[in-house]
Amino acid sequence: QQQVKQSPQSLIVQKGGISIINCAYENTAFDYFPWYQQFPGKGPALLIAIRPDVSEKKEGRFTISFNKSAKQFSLHIMDSQPGDSATYFCAVLRSNDYKLSFGAGTTVTVRA
Amino acid sequence: GAGVSQSPSNKVTEKGKDVELRCDPISGHTALYWYRQSLGQGLEFLIYFQGNSAPDKSGLPSDRFSAERTGGSVSTLTIQRTQQEDSAVYLCASSLVSPGAGANVLTFGAGSRLTVL
Repeated sequence: QQQVKQSPQSLIVQKGGISIINCAYENTAFDYFPWYQQFPGKGPALLIAIRPDVSEKKEGRFTISFNKSAKQFSLHIMDSQPGDSATYFCAVLRSNDYKLSFGAGTTVTVRA
Repeated sequence: GAGVSQSPSNKVTEKGKDVELRCDPISGHTALYWYRQSLGQGLEFLIYFQGNSAPDKSGLPSDRFSAERTGGSVSTLTIQRTQQEDSAVYLCASSLVSPGAGANVLTFGAGSRLTVL
C-alpha cells in the first residue's frame, strides 16, 4: 500500500506563477520528508528535504511547508520557470529505516 | 565513477526472454537500491542491498525477479521469462548513509528502460 499520497497528478502553471504540490501520510513514525525532481530521461535527484522539527524550509525558489498535526507536507515553487518543468516526487522515511517510500509523482509544466 | 551508471539504457526484448540490467553505484556507497517506475506510476521499491547482502527483497514482484551484488559494488537485476507487464524503467540508486545515521540521500542512475514485446 502507498505510504504517501501525492496530488495533483499534473499541473500547468504560467511562468512566474506558483506551483504547489501536496503530500499526505499516515504513519507518524516517519521523520524525514524529501522531495525529488526528475527530468525526462534522467533519474530522480534530491531537491530539498525537511524534518518534522521545523514547519518550513526554503532553498531558493523552493519551499517545503510541513504540518505535523495534519500529517501533510507540500512543495511550493515560487516564480516558476520553464526549466522547472519536471516530475516531482515526495517521499517519506523513518530515520532508523533505509527504504524511501515515494508518492506517485506530479508532472509540472511551466508555460513561457 | 562520478554518478550511478546503469546499462543498458534501453532494452527491447521478446516475451519469454531473460534480461539482465546492470548498476554501477557511486564508489564507496555501501547501500544500493532497485526501484521500478512504470508509466504514470511512482517509484516502486524492489530490493535493497547493504554491502553484498540483501536484507530486504520484499518488493520483488515474483520469483522471476532476482538480483545480486558482488564486491560491494556492481549489482545485476535479472528478470527471467519476461512478461509485457514487466515493461518499465528500472532505476538503481546508491547511498552512503547506513540506516539510523540520519537522512538517507539516494543518488539515482538514469535508469534502464525495458520494453517487452
